[in-house]
Amino acid sequence: GAVVSQHPSRVICKSGTSVKIECRSLDFQATTMFWYRQFPKQSLMLMATSNEGSKATYEQGVEKDKFLINHASLTLSTLTVTSAHPEDSSFYICSARDFAGTGFSPLHFGNGTRLTVT
Amino acid sequence: DAKTTQPPSMDCAEGRAANLPCNHSTISGNEYVYWYRQIHSQGPQYIIHGLKNNETNEMASLIITEDRKSSTLILPHATLRDTAVYYCIVRGPQGGSEKLVFGKGMKLTVNP
Repeated sequence: GAVVSQHPSRVICKSGTSVKIECRSLDFQATTMFWYRQFPKQSLMLMATSNEGSKATYEQGVEKDKFLINHASLTLSTLTVTSAHPEDSSFYICSARDFAGTGFSPLHFGNGTRLTVT
Repeated sequence: DAKTTQPPSMDCAEGRAANLPCNHSTISGNEYVYWYRQIHSQGPQYIIHGLKNNETNEMASLIITEDRKSSTLILPHATLRDTAVYYCIVRGPQGGSEKLVFGKGMKLTVNP
């Protein structure tokens, strides 16, 4: 149980274009999902908290107009990287907690999306 | 900022127990200790979590000191597939502290 699916696993796009990444909780409902970014040889950095039916909360230094987050249902959150540039190339990972669990239930992670901007 | 400190790396022989330490001296009374690991180019995998009692599951055991200022993750019989970066994370309940903040973690290398 507690499977989080990300799509696509890899994407290559041209500079200036936008890319959408999907994060789905397959066997549970998630009112809150989290989006992380990881550069090579670095740890995961939290970008934003995605709340179902409301606006996302962004961490300091993360541009909300560049990284658009939509959490339209209890099983789907999307991250859109707008006007992507080579410096946006990174490993993007989402996570979610089972809505039915307690506040201490573990977060479960997707397998990440490798974005390369050329 | 991460509230935990871990050694940057550790080696372990295949088949032996791997004991991974973590210091969390500023942990609050309602914060749990979570352990995750990340194998190269994959998302983090949940291992175990605990509050103050020792915990065991099919993957590992978690030993938390009585003062809760440190803990040890034990992989009882390490295999080559356990080679990964292990993250010890302190996390509170809902209401703003629910998010997981990752530190640098510790690279465990299991050698044949």
